[in-house]
Amino acid sequence: DAKTTQPTSMDCAEGRAANLPCNHSTISGNEYVYWYRQIHSQGPQYIIHGLKNNETNEMASLIITEDRKSSTLILPHATLRDTAVYYCMIHNAGNMLTFGGGTRLMVKP
Amino acid sequence: KAGVTQTPRYLIKTRGQQVTLSCSPISGHRSVSWYQQTPGQGLQFLFEYFSETQRNKGNFPGRFSGRQFSNSRSEMNVSTLELGDSALYLCASTYTVAGIETQYFGPGTRLLVL
Repeated sequence: DAKTTQPTSMDCAEGRAANLPCNHSTISGNEYVYWYRQIHSQGPQYIIHGLKNNETNEMASLIITEDRKSSTLILPHATLRDTAVYYCMIHNAGNMLTFGGGTRLMVKP
Repeated sequence: KAGVTQTPRYLIKTRGQQVTLSCSPISGHRSVSWYQQTPGQGLQFLFEYFSETQRNKGNFPGRFSGRQFSNSRSEMNVSTLELGDSALYLCASTYTVAGIETQYFGPGTRLLVL
């Protein structure tokens, strides 16, 4: 699976949008972008995934650039409960998930 | 549907002992993966089972083993425990549709080796 690069940490004000970037310049054509998050001491939680089109669900939006070399996870109205480590991963069916260091998002009141 | 369940949630063992952890996947999910999470190494893949067969394996010593039963429940075993095996052990079951896989994680078992 391709490697990803994420900022180590980010802050966001409560109620504002949190935009978490991810670079995956070596992604190949059949690899998906997945986002998970892990709230302290809990198991990782699936957020969203996409191939090349932008995706939205009840938790977040995923914006993938046209060349697919980077993406942004958007939490439209961050709350204190969104404080977590967010992992961006590139995944191919049949392979295991490879977790990097992730981005530690701190939502502040 | 009920989520992924793991038992026990907390465990304390001593060096040299062995331990067995259990995972029940979401109903209908046939694949179960195991991960180890430590502060130093982060989340690392241990192995994956599908239809009672190991399908993928990470880079862990042979002391770490697993199995899956016909009802998709899985167990992992660690023999001859070392202090460095203290970690959060996470189990994930996989939902596959149209070739797209999504993993759902359990709450984990926190193992402390003294």
